[in-house]
Parts: sequence; structure tokens; C-alpha cells
Amino acid sequence: GIQVEQSPPDLILQEGANSTLRCNFSDSVNNLQWFHQNPWGQLINLFYIPSGTKQNGRLSATTVATERYSLLYISSSQTTDSGVYFCAVRVLTGNQFYFGTGTSLTVIP
Amino acid sequence: KAGVTQTPRYLIKTRGQQVTLSCSPISGHRSVSWYQQTPGQGLQFLFEYFSETQRNKGNFPGRFSGRQFSNSRSEMNVSTLELGDSALYLCASSLPGQGARETQYFGPGTRLLVL
Repeated sequence: GIQVEQSPPDLILQEGANSTLRCNFSDSVNNLQWFHQNPWGQLINLFYIPSGTKQNGRLSATTVATERYSLLYISSSQTTDSGVYFCAVRVLTGNQFYFGTGTSLTVIP
Repeated sequence: KAGVTQTPRYLIKTRGQQVTLSCSPISGHRSVSWYQQTPGQGLQFLFEYFSETQRNKGNFPGRFSGRQFSNSRSEMNVSTLELGDSALYLCASSLPGQGARETQYFGPGTRLLVL
């Protein structure tokens, strides 16, 4: 099956700092989503972004499908940004979603 | 619109027992997927149901089963529980028919502890 790897696995930031999270995938995909899992386990949709660039407030994401990677940018981080960030992809030939290994972000005041 | 709901939120069982978890999708969503999340294996796909039929299945033993009702609510069942089944079980609903644009929305999860 497809391999979905995220880096870095762990990240500690001072409040106000910027960060870039990366998601690499090993096969062509037709769907890519970024999620934030809060400390209570709830997965929250951030972006649907199989290609191109999108922005939503302090967050933005870019997917370069031809090179099989996606980036999530967090600017001016806040303590509420803490949690685990996952990317999930669906391959062209299948229906199920495959989740990445996650990046655990801790923002300290 | 109400989000995806899952019941119960927490559950403690002993080895050998069975358990049933429930998921109610967002109104109008007809596809329900189940995932298991553990610290060691991450988020793994269990199965997906659409219109009361299993559409996809992950690599889990037959002890894990599910079903979907005519109102799109779904249940998953785990029989003969093992310690390794302790996990957060997440349900996601989506609106099929959007092709590749299908977006999954997750419930809060059920935390299962097997003693």
C-alpha cells in the first residue's frame, strides 16, 4: 500500500513562531486532507488540498502532486495550535484513506 | 448541522468480552468509515459502509465487523476482545458522489480499554 510519512515527528515552538510541516506520499493521489487532532482526540478538518495552495487565517497549505508532497504552514503559532497534525491521502485506484504518521506540535507560552 | 456523534465515549471491557460501538453520521451523509488509533500503529482504516453495504475493508481480523442501517447510522463490533484492541476508535462520515472531492468529517471517538 501507499506510504505516507510526515516530518518532523515532534516540534516544540515558542508562541508566535512559524512552522512548516511536511507530508510525503509514495503514490499518486486524488484526495489529500490535513487534520488537527486536539488533546481530547477529536480530528478537525483543516484543508482539502489535492493540489495547489490554500489559506485559512494563520494556516496555509500547499500540495505539489507531481512531486508527491504537501506542506502545512502555521504562522504566529498559539498555544491552542498544540496537538497532532495528520495528513490523509486517497490513491487514484482505491477508495480508502491512508493517514500519515503525524507531527506532534507543542506551542509553549 | 450536528456533527458526527459516537457512543459511548469511554468503555472498559475485559479480555474475551465483545463490544459494540455506535456512530451517527452528519445528516445527509451516507458513507461511514471506521478507524482504529493506537500509539504504536497510528490511524488505521477498519472498514467503510455506504448504503448499508461494506464498500472497503482494511487489514483487520474477522473479530472486527460492522454494519450500517437504513438511516446511515453504523455500528462496529469487536468480538473476543484482546489487550491489543485497546485504542481510540474513530468514525468518519462523508457525502459520496463528490468523486475525489469526498471529505471526511470525524466524530469525537470512543476510547476502549481492554483489561
